[in-house]
Amino acid sequence: DTAVSQTPKYLVTQMGNDKSIKCEQNLGHDTMYWYKQDSKKFLKIMFSYNNKELIINETVPNRFSPKSPDKAHLNLHINSLELGDSAVYFCASSQESALGETQYFGPGTRLLVL
Amino acid sequence: SQQGEEDPQALSIQEGENATMNCSYKTSINNLQWYRQNSGRGLVHLILIRSNEREKHSGRLRVTLDTSKKSSSLLITASRAADTASYFCATAPGYSTLTFGKGTMLLVSP
Repeated sequence: DTAVSQTPKYLVTQMGNDKSIKCEQNLGHDTMYWYKQDSKKFLKIMFSYNNKELIINETVPNRFSPKSPDKAHLNLHINSLELGDSAVYFCASSQESALGETQYFGPGTRLLVL
Repeated sequence: SQQGEEDPQALSIQEGENATMNCSYKTSINNLQWYRQNSGRGLVHLILIRSNEREKHSGRLRVTLDTSKKSSSLLITASRAADTASYFCATAPGYSTLTFGKGTMLLVSP
């Protein structure tokens, strides 16, 4: 059973397009996250949702819009894709949102913008 | 801004040797965690050490924490080729989510 799953695994698209990445967790966790990992492996938090409510919104262009239809799902929609958006995007979840809970990561979505 | 910094950036050893990687951080923390990332995969949680703990073991892993020096070390004993991966420390500064370092790339050769 996959605890945190993401689709698609790979995404190749043209500049200017709009795309979505989906994430689902079956761990019953209350909190979900989106991270961006660049080519140098630096992992940066983008968003965090707790029980469908946004609790962390780092300095991310407003072309990125997360959506949480329920606490088991957190999707990421990206408008007007740019070359610099190429990266690996990871979804993660944790039991709670406070005090650095252990996080469980999905396999990642490799986005390449041409 | 980045909280944790791992050292070294890369480490190459032979199977059977021990691997030690270090993490330094800047602000006070509630806990410090180590994660492993195999190539092309997501991060996997290895071990969590709380700010009031000094040492913790899990199988072949040994983690130490020195809050006075704001540093931690991860020791992998009797390394195996399957330990080849990137290792990240993550800290929780105050009431905040985790902040990850840039990782140490470990290569274990057979």
